[in-house]
Amino acid sequence: SAVISQKPSRDICQRGTSLTIQCQVDSQVTMMFWYRQQPGQSLTLIATANQGSEATYESGFVIDKFPISRPNLTFSTLTVSNMSPEDSSIYLCSGAGGTEAFFGQGTRLTVV
Amino acid sequence: GDSVTQMEGPVTLSEEAFLTINCTYTATGYPSLFWYVQYPGEGLQLLLKATKADDKGSNKGFEATYRKETTSFHLEKGSVQVSDSAVYFCALRSGNTPLVFGKGTRLSVIA
Repeated sequence: SAVISQKPSRDICQRGTSLTIQCQVDSQVTMMFWYRQQPGQSLTLIATANQGSEATYESGFVIDKFPISRPNLTFSTLTVSNMSPEDSSIYLCSGAGGTEAFFGQGTRLTVV
Repeated sequence: GDSVTQMEGPVTLSEEAFLTINCTYTATGYPSLFWYVQYPGEGLQLLLKATKADDKGSNKGFEATYRKETTSFHLEKGSVQVSDSAVYFCALRSGNTPLVFGKGTRLSVIA
């Protein structure tokens, strides 16, 4: 399966600032997704990153808060905007081709 | 919509004990089924998968069989080790849709 490099692996940010998380896949993938995992919880889908067009957001997530880019089939970014302590979480990107989906190592974000 | 239900944790076992983590699913089509594992402080790793009914996925001593008649994909291991301590997620995927995850089951194995 493909390998996803996600960075940063962790960050501590001030409230009101923004953080951009990057994911680079070592091969082209059809689909890329962004998830949030709050402490001790399962994964919640934020959005599907569409190559060359606007991302498709799940209920409860909006583009102004979580803008996503996917300029090509191997790269995507997620920005967490105007952060508050409630945004403290692990953010994971996922790539999928065929039946299998694989994940980056995650970004552990703490907002203070 | 599609959904996954897995047994609540945490599960605490002694080393060499038998492990079962139950997982059932609801899906309109014929999804692929997965078990992912998350070790402390790490991302998700695919543990095993099955793509059609009666398939058995296996890896690192873990097994799960795709049971269409009971819509289940229970994870089993005959003899757990301390190094198996992690959170285990059952998931399904239909076509090109995103993975749908269960809530996760935390396993602690004590020596």
